[in-house]
Amino acid sequence: DAGVIQSPRHEVTEMGQEVTLRCKPISGHDYLFWYRQTMMRGLELLIYFNNNVPIDDSGMPEDRFSAKMPNASFSTLKIQPSEPRDSAVYFCASSPGAHEQYFGPGTRLTVT
Amino acid sequence: AQKVTQAQTEISVVEKEDVTLDCVYETRDTTYYLFWYKQPPSGELVFLIRRNSFDEQNEISGRYSWNFQKSTSSFNFTITASQVVDSAVYFCALSEAYGNKLVFGAGTILRVKS
Repeated sequence: DAGVIQSPRHEVTEMGQEVTLRCKPISGHDYLFWYRQTMMRGLELLIYFNNNVPIDDSGMPEDRFSAKMPNASFSTLKIQPSEPRDSAVYFCASSPGAHEQYFGPGTRLTVT
Repeated sequence: AQKVTQAQTEISVVEKEDVTLDCVYETRDTTYYLFWYKQPPSGELVFLIRRNSFDEQNEISGRYSWNFQKSTSSFNFTITASQVVDSAVYFCALSEAYGNKLVFGAGTILRVKS
């Protein structure tokens, strides 16, 4: 079975540009999570969805970040405008509701 | 608030040594879940184990074993006869009973030298 799929795997962009990260969860999983990993702050939960509905976005750093889940098989995390401090690895994870989360390979974002 | 502490920032061992990674957690919930994840140099996060707060039985899976002690709020992970392929960052995590939010520790870097 395919795991969580993320695209792109690497993204390099200039400050001020819009960035869109994409995620396809494991089929049948009801929960989807977006995390950010940096050396300074470790792994942080940004937002999570249950049955396509955002449940908790308290980890979203500011209004420049937004996330959507238009259907059960697709989610996006958008940063507009991007800043150098947004440089990080962004992980998407999905869960069948049994609490363990399965992570995608991550998107390494570099904002110059 | 929930918190996970992995006091060991980095551990280096020689192949075939046993190594224990410590994890201490804080929570006010009576029902919660504990996890270990492995992050190899390739970067992905690999789920290793989940434990719920009502099950204090130790678990063994091959060379891996886990010791859960509610009395000390600890969930330690032991690798027996370590191998170079075990080199990775290992994260301990905690989630509340409802909502599925994971709180991660800072991680322990394990280096296994041949």
